[in-house]
Amino acid sequence: GAGVSQSPSNKVTEKGKDVELRCDPISGHTALYWYRQSLGQGLEFLIYFQGNSAPDKSGLPSDRFSAERTGGSVSTLTIQRTQQEDSAVYLCASSLMDSSGNTIYFGEGSWLTVV
Amino acid sequence: AQTVTQSQPEMSVQEAETVTLSCTYDTSESDYYLFWYKQPPSRQMILVIRQEAYKQQNATENRFSVNFQKAAKSFSLKISDSQLGDAAMYFCAYRSTNAGKSTFGDGTTLTVKP
Repeated sequence: GAGVSQSPSNKVTEKGKDVELRCDPISGHTALYWYRQSLGQGLEFLIYFQGNSAPDKSGLPSDRFSAERTGGSVSTLTIQRTQQEDSAVYLCASSLMDSSGNTIYFGEGSWLTVV
Repeated sequence: AQTVTQSQPEMSVQEAETVTLSCTYDTSESDYYLFWYKQPPSRQMILVIRQEAYKQQNATENRFSVNFQKAAKSFSLKISDSQLGDAAMYFCAYRSTNAGKSTFGDGTTLTVKP
């Protein structure tokens, strides 16, 4: 695709339910990143993928959070048993490869509200 | 671990004037990249400018330029001839040459007054 695509753009869920957030990176981009942005805050790193493997998942806040990437393309971030503190914008980004000078392109994010 | 600090939560500038956004960082590495991103209300983060630490020359992109002071670990963004479309949240970010994650500051909200 032309840009990084995320879905859903907005999601309201009840506390305790599971949610899946999807990211479709730019075609050909091997590196994919997930960040979380709470209201008015900076970006908090969650996990990144190089191909289908995740060399760094140190930012996942708890074992309720998991992510996978298949076929070196689409990634899914899953939050189990959602809590109110999970409410945030979840941003996905991709780059041509995981090289520090490469431009990272962001999607518009998935705004998750847990009620 | 690297940290990035943006000490100005909010800034405002008159249209056509110049504004400087501050950023400091902490690292023990000698080679790395620094970035400024813009996040308009649409939420999509857009790269504004990047600086490679081993390059002494300050990066410029049209009306945007940086003042990179490596010894002071300072990386400020100057916006010249500010336009209404520059209004957004600006984030400073650090990235190691080992790549992987970027570390972001908490952002500065820039208001441009007509």
